[in-house]
Amino acid sequence: QVQLEESGPGLMQPSETLSLTCTVSGFSLTNNGVGWVRQPLGKDLVWMGTIWAGGSTNYNSAVQSRLSISRDTSKSQVFLKMNSLQPEDTGTYYCATHPFGSPFDYWGQGVLVTVSS
Amino acid sequence: DIQMTQSPSFLSATVGDRVTINCKASQNINKYLNWYQQKLGEAPKRLIYNTNSLQTGIPSRFSGSGSGTDYTLTISSLQPEDVATYFCLQHNSGNTFGAGTKLELK
Repeated sequence: QVQLEESGPGLMQPSETLSLTCTVSGFSLTNNGVGWVRQPLGKDLVWMGTIWAGGSTNYNSAVQSRLSISRDTSKSQVFLKMNSLQPEDTGTYYCATHPFGSPFDYWGQGVLVTVSS
Repeated sequence: DIQMTQSPSFLSATVGDRVTINCKASQNINKYLNWYQQKLGEAPKRLIYNTNSLQTGIPSRFSGSGSGTDYTLTISSLQPEDVATYFCLQHNSGNTFGAGTKLELK
């Protein structure tokens, strides 16, 4: 059974660096990519980036300069790091499976991140 | 970047109605179009992938169609449990979601 679970701090200050973890089960990260999707409160979903089964990454150009996605395959974990946080980065962050050519078939429950001073 | 224009943004319908939701891409996306359902407080759920392939476990009243730049999600007979927000996603070039359609019961 495929499962994903996001974890990380709920409250961040502007200019800080966000670190989120996506812990997966039911599949191997070496066989399946994982993407991150953000949803500002009441607004559209936005794809942020993906780490592929082979370990390479692709990022949304809108956040590419601030974003890094990595993984630890032995722990079945994918990591998101985003620096220079601003209040507009507030929202729910989801990780989701991203098989090549068939994105986002399974999702985690999401983690709410609030950026506020 | 490919832009997705989804319509309508809000839809009110009666149980049993046939409901259609549309997404228009700013360029040809070669049928690389998925549909998602998101209920309040829940993660999105994939309904349809690559225009017309039904995700396992999704009721057959959901269907998708389209080509080129224009795509449609159809619910053949609306059920109370279908109240949700629906999003399209193009994955032909990058990944871009539509703005969502909030579906409510009349």
